[in-house]
This record gives sequence, structure tokens and C-alpha cells, in this order.
Amino acid sequence: DIQMTQSPSSLSASVGDRVTITCRASRSVSNSVNWYQQKPGKAPHLVIFSASSLHSGVPSRFSGSGFGTDFTLAISGLQPEDFATYYCQQSYTSPFTFGPGTKMDVK
Amino acid sequence: QVQLQQWGAGLKKPSETLSLTCAVYGGTFTNHYWGWIRQSPGRGLEWIGEVNDSGDTNYNPSLKSRVTILVKKSTNQLSLKVISLTDADTAVYYCARRWPLVKPSSCFDTWGQGTPVTVSA
Repeated sequence: DIQMTQSPSSLSASVGDRVTITCRASRSVSNSVNWYQQKPGKAPHLVIFSASSLHSGVPSRFSGSGFGTDFTLAISGLQPEDFATYYCQQSYTSPFTFGPGTKMDVK
Repeated sequence: QVQLQQWGAGLKKPSETLSLTCAVYGGTFTNHYWGWIRQSPGRGLEWIGEVNDSGDTNYNPSLKSRVTILVKKSTNQLSLKVISLTDADTAVYYCARRWPLVKPSSCFDTWGQGTPVTVSA
């Protein structure tokens, strides 16, 4: 299985900040990485697909980059509704695997 | 817009069988894969398996021996069965649509609301 790791595991930020979350795959997954946002008690919600494509309805302050094994999710100009847990996921090969998550809270 | 609504019994005893159903509203089964993902504090998000509109399945090898996923196209539903439950199967179970993109990429673009399942004697 391809293992996905994320850093940091948690971070504190303020409204208006720019934050970045990194994700690393245990082997190359091309650009087959997606990012999800999850709020407590809710299902994950797709934010970025194929490493850098913004999902429909997601604000443009979200962006993704990366290829191969290293990927980044960036959020510029944090809004109150952005505080959540973020997960990366590889879709390169089955079994599809997720990172452990990065929990972002208010500083 | 496609919506997924899921249901099933959430309290089970060890060795019992879990059965969950997920209904697809506002869309068709074709050109997508439909599957199950679970989430627990200890194991995080774990992909269980999936089925397409032809009934072809793909399972996580770690669970394959205990899992069955079926599709019922006439009612736009899919089901999950997990046998021989243990405490380790305690989790929130989600149904989800996997949207194929440019091969090999895909993403889970639509999720059900989640069903909490507790396995306890």
C-alpha cells in the first residue's frame, strides 16, 4: 500500500493568515492526490483534486501543488469557516489511502 | 446535484454482521464507482471497497475476506456487508462516489452523511 504522511499534524492560525500543509507519499503517485476538508461531525468534503484543481464551489483562496511524492495545500487569507481538519489522499492505485490529517484551529 | 443517504443498524456485537445501505439521489450509477470508507480514531480514514454500475467490485485487501459490496441499479442503492465483526470495526462508515478523472486519477467527490457503528459486547 502507498503510505501518506502529513505535516504538521496540527497548527494554530489566525483569520487572514496564509497557511500551508504538506503531504508526502511513500512512492510516486504522479499528480493523483486529492485534499479534503472535514469539520466535526461531518463527512469529508473535496477541496482539491489532481493535486492542483479546485473543486466546484471551493473558494479561490485554496490552492494545491505538487507532483510525484510531495504535495502542498495552501490557504491564503484564512476565513473563520476554514478552521477544520484537512486530509490528503492518493488515487494513483488501489487501495486508495489517506493521510492522518492536519487539524487547524484558531490561535 | 447528487446526494447520498445511508442507513443501517449502528450497534453490533462481536462476531455479528454489519449491513449498511446507501441510496443515490439526483444522479445515475453510470460512469462512476460507488463505495465505502470508514473513519476511526485509531485507523483514520480507511477505504473499504467499491462497486461500479456493472457490479464489478474492488476491495481493500486488508478487509477483502470479510466484506461484500453490492449494487442494486433498479433502486439506485448500494450495500455494504461486513462479517465477523470485532471491536476494531468500530468506526463511522461513509458511502462515497468516486469520480474517475484522467487515468489513473480519481476523487471522492460526494459523500453520505456517515453512520456511526459501535461493536461492543
